[in-house]
Amino acid sequence: NAGVTQTPKFQVLKTGQSMTLQCAQDMNHEYMSWYRQDPGMGLRLIHYSVGAGITDQGEVPNGYNVSRSTTEDFPLRLLSAAPSQTSVYFCASSRPLTGELFFGEGSRLTVL
Amino acid sequence: GNSVTQMEGPVTLSEEAFLTINCTYTATGYPSLFWYVQYPGEGLQLLLKATKADDKGSNKGFEATYRKETTSFHLEKGSVQVSDSAVYFCALRIPGGGADGLTFGKGTHLIIQP
Repeated sequence: NAGVTQTPKFQVLKTGQSMTLQCAQDMNHEYMSWYRQDPGMGLRLIHYSVGAGITDQGEVPNGYNVSRSTTEDFPLRLLSAAPSQTSVYFCASSRPLTGELFFGEGSRLTVL
Repeated sequence: GNSVTQMEGPVTLSEEAFLTINCTYTATGYPSLFWYVQYPGEGLQLLLKATKADDKGSNKGFEATYRKETTSFHLEKGSVQVSDSAVYFCALRIPGGGADGLTFGKGTHLIIQP
């Protein structure tokens, strides 16, 4: 009954460091996406994927990279962390064209 | 562009009070509308949805009706409980949109006091 699993749950980075947020789903969903949640801003789409090998940019893609080599996994990479990337990150998966997203529990990232 | 506007709160109510959280939208085409709920320390989960005008979504005592004439999708519950304390997000999706991502409102923080 795992659903969408994100790791790590908490991370502290220094400016300029790189890291990868992991996301895995076991529901065989084609669609996966990454959002960031900031106070007063709601959720904003970073990147999304409509299937293995296919990714595209969302509303706020700068500073982030993604890849989708398998249906199950959709990692989010921060190449050179900046304080503006301090946020809570959510991964989600969905069946195509339904809008019914299944979210992970979130990863809280602090960049000093 | 597409957008969702909702009251941000916090909204504080006493247990058993009537709840309304307003949501209005701007969209091209005919969107599907959603309410998601986020309990403390958790990810969002779908609460209810409606896919066409005059549809009513309902779940766990919550209801919302898709009103095309007023471009609204207000969330209501007749008698709230302490366990309803959470952040509620209104969202829309345009059929045929390139991304399956939704456009979310900023969220309404609801606090229910015993």
